[in-house]
Amino acid sequence: DVKVTQSSRYLVKRTGEKVFLECVQDMDHENMFWYRQDPGLGLRLIYFSYDVKMKEKGDIPEGYSVSREKKERFSLILESASTNQTSMYLCASSLPPPQGEQYFGPGTRLTVT
Amino acid sequence: QQQVKQSPQSLIVQKGGIPIINCAYENTAFDYFPWYQQFPGKGPALLIAIRPDVSEKKEGRFTISFNKSAKQFSLHIMDSQPGDSATYFCAASPFPSGSARQLTFGSGTQLTVLP
Repeated sequence: DVKVTQSSRYLVKRTGEKVFLECVQDMDHENMFWYRQDPGLGLRLIYFSYDVKMKEKGDIPEGYSVSREKKERFSLILESASTNQTSMYLCASSLPPPQGEQYFGPGTRLTVT
Repeated sequence: QQQVKQSPQSLIVQKGGIPIINCAYENTAFDYFPWYQQFPGKGPALLIAIRPDVSEKKEGRFTISFNKSAKQFSLHIMDSQPGDSATYFCAASPFPSGSARQLTFGSGTQLTVLP
């Protein structure tokens, strides 16, 4: 069965802290994605990776970075968390094109105080 | 710039009704249009998807209607059930020029089906 797991369901951090969100997939997918989900805005792509050590910016990369050292693991890093980064963060993985289906993890609700 | 506009934001129907969720897009390069369903506490999951060479696709009680000239597509849920209560997202993607297919999502519709 397809599975994408995220390290935390809920996370509370203080402004200025460095935050790591971890995502692991067990489907041997080449592509991995990080989104943030906010009410009324849908899902917005932060970064994606199409191979180990390869990454590309999505629509809203400012304030974030990513790391992919192993095929199954994709990390999202908030270098200095700010209150406007309070959100639900979703990780997804997919096969290479032309397949389009993305498989999502359950999400991490991050609160920055 | 929102490239996929979704409406309504919320929708309440009685059991057995046919909720309809609409999406409109601007980018004529989009060639893949999926719908995702999200239950509380879960990540979105692919429900049904369509490509622009067909005008309609059915999977069980779920139907996508696609109007290429109007740049619109919609999701219809036949004989809706309380278990269909969820948030629905439309999305769109151009033919990938690189190594990954990037999805642009609509803003979501929260559907409630009353028993």
